[in-house]
Amino acid sequence: SSELTQDPAVSVALGQTVRITCQGDSLRSSYASWYQQKPGQAPVLVVFGKNKRPSGIPDRFSGSSSGNTASLIITGAQAEDEADYYCNSRDSSGNHLVFGGGTKVTVL
Amino acid sequence: VQLRESGPGLVKPSETLSLTCTVSGASVSSRSYYWTWIRQPPGKGLEWIGYISYSGITKYNPSLRSRLTISLDTSRNQFSLRLTSVTAADSAVYYCARDSGYYFDSWGQGTLVTVSS
Repeated sequence: SSELTQDPAVSVALGQTVRITCQGDSLRSSYASWYQQKPGQAPVLVVFGKNKRPSGIPDRFSGSSSGNTASLIITGAQAEDEADYYCNSRDSSGNHLVFGGGTKVTVL
Repeated sequence: VQLRESGPGLVKPSETLSLTCTVSGASVSSRSYYWTWIRQPPGKGLEWIGYISYSGITKYNPSLRSRLTISLDTSRNQFSLRLTSVTAADSAVYYCARDSGYYFDSWGQGTLVTVSS
């Protein structure tokens, strides 16, 4: 079992907003990073740190954090956003990294 | 920055899995990064394996520590993974990635390793 908990699946209507959450005690003191993975492809970093996006990531992707929960928000979801999303952060010891179990996002 | 994994795609149970990641566009000797291995069993989620720093400091996933070695070859700008006594549970796509401070901003394309006799 992972020390970061994600809902297995969420769905969103085209053009609407979806929030993907990641829960874990380590998130009270550490930022999460978020990765998008499409079938057969390597993961891609979409959000890291305090709501930062790498170059080339659309601004409809944003991050937030409150208490033990980090969130990835997709505002105005597009068909190409359908993918698996993983959060990552430190584990409870602070010495290692751990991924959440992943959330499959379906765009209806 | 580009990373590329290489190594055998098939390993027998109880043997050793060895993979190499070749880095271009960045130096593994840079103090800014940690060079990381991540794996993903078929149909499952991502698992952080561990990393090595420019100075050779390593951090390993506690569940793999007893079987795992990550090493650095600065002359070839490569880093490597060695996992001993493999079982079918070690079958996965193995990715190498660059950790820029608790986030992975560059990834290899991944290489599938199957453990089977």
